[in-house]
Amino acid sequence: QVQLVQSGAEVKKPGASLKVSCKASGYTFSDYHMHWVRQAPGQGLEWMGWINPDSGATNYAQKFQGRVTMTRDTSISTASMELSRLRSDDTAVYFCARDAYGSGVMDVWGQGTTVTVSS
Amino acid sequence: EIVLTQSPATLSLSPGERATLSCRASQSVGIYLAWYQQKPGQAPRLLIYDASNRATGIPARFSGSGSGTDFTLTISSLEPEDFAFYYCQHRSTWPLITFGQGTRLEIE
Repeated sequence: QVQLVQSGAEVKKPGASLKVSCKASGYTFSDYHMHWVRQAPGQGLEWMGWINPDSGATNYAQKFQGRVTMTRDTSISTASMELSRLRSDDTAVYFCARDAYGSGVMDVWGQGTTVTVSS
Repeated sequence: EIVLTQSPATLSLSPGERATLSCRASQSVGIYLAWYQQKPGQAPRLLIYDASNRATGIPARFSGSGSGTDFTLTISSLEPEDFAFYYCQHRSTWPLITFGQGTRLEIE
């Protein structure tokens, strides 16, 4: 079955960098864009950006430009999201989500990775 | 940037009742609006895309309508498992995407 499995929970200090991975299975990884969405505690969903696993092209929300980098490794069907210069308000659950049609409909989601930023 | 405003923030209903959730866009998004359901501790689940198309495996009691700036998600007869958070999301300015702030559907 189609599945996205994310890496485990992380605790980071302010100013550090974070890398979350998302391993896809059950479909052709390169055929579907991958989005990253985060959710701060008790808050709503916040879209961060996407990567086209085929070309490596990316598009980031303006809020995260300069701090986020999305990459992929097609040999292991894995997408990754790196966020630098972490702050306490980056504490959130980070989700990867497959794009069903390459235009913003997210039909399969990872289980989420909890990230805590604290000194 | 197009802003999506969901109302009400919280909706209190009983099982068997009809639920009507609203999502209003600050400018037209055409039909490019989706709805997601999220239960505590879980990832979101796609319910509706392009305003009125049910995603695979979504029960028929869920329906979506609207176009332009006003959209509605209707749950015809609430089941206990439907009490959750609901988010709308547009893709009309692809490659950019925005979510609404969410509606909490709680048991009365």
